[in-house]
Amino acid sequence: KAGVTQTPRYLIKTRGQQVTLSCSPISGHRSVSWYQQTPGQGLQFLFEYFSETQRNKGNFPGRFSGRQFSNSRSEMNVSTLELGDSALYLCASSTEAYEQYFGPGTRLTVT
Amino acid sequence: AQSVTQLGSHVSVSEGALVLLRCNYSSSVPPYLFWYVQYPNQGLQLLLKYTTGATLVKGINGFEAEFKKSETSFHLTKPSAHMSDAAEYFCAVSDGSASKIIFGSGTRLSIRP
Repeated sequence: KAGVTQTPRYLIKTRGQQVTLSCSPISGHRSVSWYQQTPGQGLQFLFEYFSETQRNKGNFPGRFSGRQFSNSRSEMNVSTLELGDSALYLCASSTEAYEQYFGPGTRLTVT
Repeated sequence: AQSVTQLGSHVSVSEGALVLLRCNYSSSVPPYLFWYVQYPNQGLQLLLKYTTGATLVKGINGFEAEFKKSETSFHLTKPSAHMSDAAEYFCAVSDGSASKIIFGSGTRLSIRP
């Protein structure tokens, strides 16, 4: 069974631009969660989608948004990028709430 | 509310030596506990998990962890370190019903030849 895939793997954007990241979960998984990982803040939960509905949300500004499609694929969007948004963005999918399978991440660099 | 504390941001051991990575948690409900490993430029891989039942949990790559409720701990051990174990390790806690998992700050494990 194929694992979680994330595209693109690397991305360079300029401050003020917006970006969309994509995540394809493991087949049959209906829950997709997003995390931001930085050296200073560690792993921080962004949000979780289940059956196209946002089920949980972390403590991030409204510039960070997401959505999930009927095939469980998910996208995350960040508008008006700031230098501090540079991070590894990880997507995880699961069938159960407590066991998550992570993708390789998207490394976003904001210049 | 739940939280996780990993003691030691960096641990270095010799190849063949015992690996011990410490994790303490706080939870107002019976916790679900996890250890993940992250290799450079990769995502997180689940090493092992505790949900209910046996408190000694065995995972992949020879790692195991023991849930000690009285000590609110879930330390990760491996009897004999291998060079390939060098990575970042994260302890995490969940209440089992929420979809978000709270991660610790991570421990970087280095292996000396």
